[in-house]
Amino acid sequence: GAVVSQHPSRVICKSGTSVKIECRSLDFQATTMFWYRQFPKKSLMLMATSNEGSKATYEQGVEKDKFLINHASLTLSTLTVTSAHPEDSSFYICSAPAPGDLYEQYFGPGTRLTVT
Amino acid sequence: GQNIDQPTEMTATEGAIVQINCTYQTSGFNGLFWYQQHAGEAPTFLSYNVLDGLEEKGRFSSFLSRSKGYSYLLLKELQMKDSASYLCAVVDSNYQLIWGAGTKLIIKP
Repeated sequence: GAVVSQHPSRVICKSGTSVKIECRSLDFQATTMFWYRQFPKKSLMLMATSNEGSKATYEQGVEKDKFLINHASLTLSTLTVTSAHPEDSSFYICSAPAPGDLYEQYFGPGTRLTVT
Repeated sequence: GQNIDQPTEMTATEGAIVQINCTYQTSGFNGLFWYQQHAGEAPTFLSYNVLDGLEEKGRFSSFLSRSKGYSYLLLKELQMKDSASYLCAVVDSNYQLIWGAGTKLIIKP
């Protein structure tokens, strides 16, 4: 079946550096992908909607300049956490709608970011 | 505003049955998902309901009442591996997922 992958699965970086997380749809094309952040003991929080060929749509309260999203192709979206701080440490998850079916989402396995 | 409510935590016994409720108030409705999430992992899909009624899939069943803004997930013959968080999510009029905070289910022997 359709699969969404993320890379890396885990990353540790130093405060002040930038980290890029990739989200790929492996056997289908996705003009839209969603980026979520998982806070401890809370549900997923939608951060932004990534749109192929146009700017991402950010949710209220999410800093556009800090969380850069680029939807470079129909199978790849990237999230770059710029000037990372320890409070950015979290689990980042992407998803893509199933082909021809906006009702079903395929989730990536997630990327655990730790900023030291 | 949009809101999804589900209990924070529930405890059940191995082999028993448990029902996890979810109520929602959203701008539009295009379906409701239930996901299972084990600690440290991304949520995995359990069920999707868009029409009223009960849908059964093995040990798991999901029910939807659109007029009441209500859904439940029913888990039968509970196993220890069912200990996880269960997330209710509604697809709104913009086809985006509105997530509940999740219900942590604890299974005891």
